[in-house]
Order: sequence, then C-alpha cells, then structure tokens
Amino acid sequence: SQTIHQWPATLVQPVGSPLSLECTVEGTSNPNLYWYRQAAGRGLQLLFYSVGIGQISSEVPQNLSASRPQDRQFILSSKKLLLSDSGFYLCACHVRDNTNIQYFGAGTRLSVL
Amino acid sequence: GQNIDQPTEMTATEGAIVQINCTYQTSGFNGLFWYQQHAGEAPTFLSYNVLDGLEEKGRFSSFLSRSKGYSYLLLKELQMKDSASYLCAVRDYPNDYKLSFGAGTTVTVRA
Repeated sequence: SQTIHQWPATLVQPVGSPLSLECTVEGTSNPNLYWYRQAAGRGLQLLFYSVGIGQISSEVPQNLSASRPQDRQFILSSKKLLLSDSGFYLCACHVRDNTNIQYFGAGTRLSVL
Repeated sequence: GQNIDQPTEMTATEGAIVQINCTYQTSGFNGLFWYQQHAGEAPTFLSYNVLDGLEEKGRFSSFLSRSKGYSYLLLKELQMKDSASYLCAVRDYPNDYKLSFGAGTTVTVRA
C-alpha cells in the first residue's frame, strides 16, 4: 500500500517569505496527487491536482503554485507568503485502482506571521 | 458548482448511536466518501458509496440515496475515541478523481 510523506509538520514563516512544501509517495506509481488547504474549523479546499509529471491543474486563483518534477513528488510553493496563506496543508494520493480512495499525508501546519 | 451540507456539530453519549446527515447538489455524481479527522491530524478514509443502499463496516455504516442527493454516516456503540470531525465528500466526474468536501461535522462523545 502507498505511504505519503509530507514535511515539515509545522512551519512558521514571516509575511513576504518564500515557501516550499514537499510531498513524496511510496508504494505506488503514476498516482494522481492533490494539494488541499484547510483553514481552522473549515472543510478541505482543493488547491491543485496532478495526473502526471509536469501536469498541474489549479482549482482556485491564489498566491501559490505547484510542481510535479517526478512521478511521486509534488511540491507546493510560494514566492511571497501572505497572512491569508496560513492553514493546514494536506497532500493526497489517489491510486488508479477500483477503490477510488484518496489517502492523505500527515499535513503541514503553516502559520504566516 | 458543488454544494455539500452537513451539520456543524453533534454531541452524543458513550455507547449511544449518532447519525450524521449529508446532502449534496453537484454537477455530476460518481461516489460519496466519508472521512474521519481527529483534531490536528489528516483525514482517514471510512467509507465509500456509489450505489444506493447501506454499506456496513463494523460499528460504522454509510447510506446513500442518489435520487435524494442524501447520505448519512451511522456511528454505533460510540466510544470516546470517536470524538472527531467527520467529512462528507463527493466525486463529481468519473475521470478526474477530484473530491469536493463538506465543511465537516464535529462529533463530541461524552461519558
């Protein structure tokens, strides 16, 4: 079964600083990968998803970007963080089998101050 | 667009039963998922319904009515560890595997 690694677990960054969050997947190949953000007490908002290397779809306009340089690596970035970028960032993986299930990494809690 | 509604909070007593309802209005439908999320942790998969009816998994069951745009998650024999947020999610289309999530229902189990 697949394992999703996300790091760091927590991050405190000043406004205007850059961001790079990494997600890597083990135990599967050619997965669909997703970045979600969850604000405090809110549901999950899909930010980006990718069906393959170099293929990124953005769901909402924002201050963030995503890249998929390798099959099992998904990176979330920003050049200049805003206060509103604070939240809980979750990477998810969907294995292309008949289960249709998305599995989540442990998440990164980002505080922009 | 997608509109997925579930109650914000529910409270129940240890050993009791709680039913969490979810209604959805989406542009397509290809499955409904329930996830459990403990505070500060990632969501974990609980159940998946794509056909009408009841799916049972131990103490947890999930029901779907596609014609009514309605699902519920039933938690039986509640335990303190069941205190968590429960997220309803819908997959709209068959080929993109994207999920749209409701805001979640926080269940508090009291002794």
